[in-house]
Amino acid sequence: AQSVAQPEDQVNVAEGNPLTVKCTYSVSGNPYLFWYVQYPNRGLQFLLKYITGDNLVKGSYGFEAEFNKSQTSFHLKKPSALVSDSALYFCAVRDPRNDKIIFGKGTRLHILP
Amino acid sequence: GAGVSQSPSNKVTEKGKDVELRCDPISGHTALYWYRQRLGQGLEFLIYFQGNSAPDKSGLPSDRFSAERTGESVSTLTIQRTQQEDSAVYLCASSLGGSGGLHEQYFGPGTRLTVT
Repeated sequence: AQSVAQPEDQVNVAEGNPLTVKCTYSVSGNPYLFWYVQYPNRGLQFLLKYITGDNLVKGSYGFEAEFNKSQTSFHLKKPSALVSDSALYFCAVRDPRNDKIIFGKGTRLHILP
Repeated sequence: GAGVSQSPSNKVTEKGKDVELRCDPISGHTALYWYRQRLGQGLEFLIYFQGNSAPDKSGLPSDRFSAERTGESVSTLTIQRTQQEDSAVYLCASSLGGSGGLHEQYFGPGTRLTVT
């Protein structure tokens, strides 16, 4: 079955420290992978995506994600966390059978001042 | 340019009433999704429209839920005989679609439904 998993419900990071939000996937064929962010009381926004090419993808707000085919992972990273990064983060993957996008259950990121 | 719009932004209804939620996607976007998000929770997929293909209704939680889309434009999500557990934010998203699903989704602001 095509699926995406975010193993952590919540991640706490001190401001200024590097952050990682984990995502693993299971799809047939080449994966198309996405990260979205939902800030408090705001809509969902696209952060970045991997379709093909360089395994390290850079996106909005200083975030980046690394595609690792052997580990079927697409972890979201940022070198230095800001309090304003506190939000709900969703990983998503395309189901190649019908191009439907499947979302993970989300990871709540808390950046501690 | 205009983004995805949804109406109403808030809807309070009595248990047992029917409600209709509207989504206006970005012009030219062939793919349209409906999701449900309960307070503080993740996204629950409801239905997916892609061009003229038959919609993927696999996420609709019961036969009280239905959705339609007129061509590649407006979509309406209808909930009949609402129940308190239907209370949630209903999100609509659209994307360019086609091209094997490589395009990101653009989300509307959502409709907050409260069933009393």
